[in-house]
Amino acid sequence: GNSVTQMEGPVTLSEEAFLTINCTYTATGYPSLFWYVQYPGEGLQLLLKATKADDKGSNKGFEATYRKETTSFHLEKGSVQVSDSAVYFCALRPFGNEKLTFGTGTRLTIIP
Amino acid sequence: GAVVSQHPSRVICKSGTSVKIECRSLDFQATTMFWYRQFPKQSLMLMATSNEGSKATYEQGVEKDKFLINHASLTLSTLTVTSAHPEDSSFYICSANRDRDQETQYFGPGTRLLVL
Repeated sequence: GNSVTQMEGPVTLSEEAFLTINCTYTATGYPSLFWYVQYPGEGLQLLLKATKADDKGSNKGFEATYRKETTSFHLEKGSVQVSDSAVYFCALRPFGNEKLTFGTGTRLTIIP
Repeated sequence: GAVVSQHPSRVICKSGTSVKIECRSLDFQATTMFWYRQFPKQSLMLMATSNEGSKATYEQGVEKDKFLINHASLTLSTLTVTSAHPEDSSFYICSANRDRDQETQYFGPGTRLLVL
């Protein structure tokens, strides 16, 4: 079946540090891959997505590249801000299917 | 745009009572809505897919008589937890696909249910 594994948190970084949150997946075929972010008290929001191998999704300084050879979709940001503190979820959607499969989420806290 | 609301945001009820949670797409029509359950420090688990005008499709292991889903209109889906028990305490989240953009799900802020 489909599954998503992402690094366990919580992750605490200082402002302006480099961020990597690892995500690997198991799926048949060619799924679409997503990163969602959940800010305190809010619903999940789509952060970025990639729909095919070697695609790079980017938004708000965050990037993730769809790596089919390593079945990974790691989230990166070069310089984090306090406002990036949130829970980040990696997810996949199989081709031709509306259902999302989520990772467990990684709580990120950025300290000034 | 693409806002999804849930009501209530938090509910406490006694064991044996039923609780209804509403999910609304505020500025778009949604033929498909999804209901998730999230346990502490765990992932979102899909419970069911709600289709407007037809019966919901439940995931394996989810009791359809326990978790009643009604998608009465293109902007409203409801989840009713019947005869709630303490083990039903959880965070329930809905999402909706905007008709013209099946690629992206828009999520509500969630409802925290506590059954005493």
